[in-house]
Amino acid sequence: NAGVTQTPKFRVLKTGQSMTLLCAQDMNHEYMYWYRQDPGMGLRLIHYSVGEGTTAKGEVPDGYNVSRLKKQNFLLGLESAAPSQTSVYFCASRPRGTPHSNQPQHFGDGTRLSIL
Amino acid sequence: RKEVEQDPGPFNVPEGATVAFNCTYSNSASQSFFWYRQDCRKEPKLLMSVYSSGNEDGRFTAQLNRASQYISLLIRDSKLSDSATYLCVVYPNQAGTALIFGKGTTLSVSS
Repeated sequence: NAGVTQTPKFRVLKTGQSMTLLCAQDMNHEYMYWYRQDPGMGLRLIHYSVGEGTTAKGEVPDGYNVSRLKKQNFLLGLESAAPSQTSVYFCASRPRGTPHSNQPQHFGDGTRLSIL
Repeated sequence: RKEVEQDPGPFNVPEGATVAFNCTYSNSASQSFFWYRQDCRKEPKLLMSVYSSGNEDGRFTAQLNRASQYISLLIRDSKLSDSATYLCVVYPNQAGTALIFGKGTTLSVSS
């Protein structure tokens, strides 16, 4: 049971390059989320999806695009990477409805992205 | 006002100490509350849910005051292994909405 899997784990990019972060979950969850975490800023929501084919903006969506073509996958794209996007990115998922008290949201291990 | 605000920290305590973290939230319609723990920029992990009646899990006690929109976490008999960042987390009761995380309070327990 893999849970939430993020690939890659680490990546270094040059300014202006593009890349896609993949989040895959095998728990049949409807809801999926992308966060970024920076020192002193806590977890900030970038984009989220409440189901296959639907996405919505979170708190800090600028510079990112997302797609949810399959229920199990949520992709986060950086079209033209900027140094300000250097961060740790976390994907999370949960079932529809009120978060469960024993496991409200499942997280991936994170992707550490550096943009030079 | 930030949706979830926590004590700024860091808290530096000796082993065996009792330490308390506080958190306030702005959305009175919020339905569910949690404390998460995060180690060294790893993924956040659920520490415990917070119930209106208060709840305890070993050395950890969580309290919720809905009238004051205030959540607390008490750690008794601190261990070195408790050193981490503690995140106050709120579910705002809107369909599909993500959990909202506070910025976290860092605890360092020393021998």
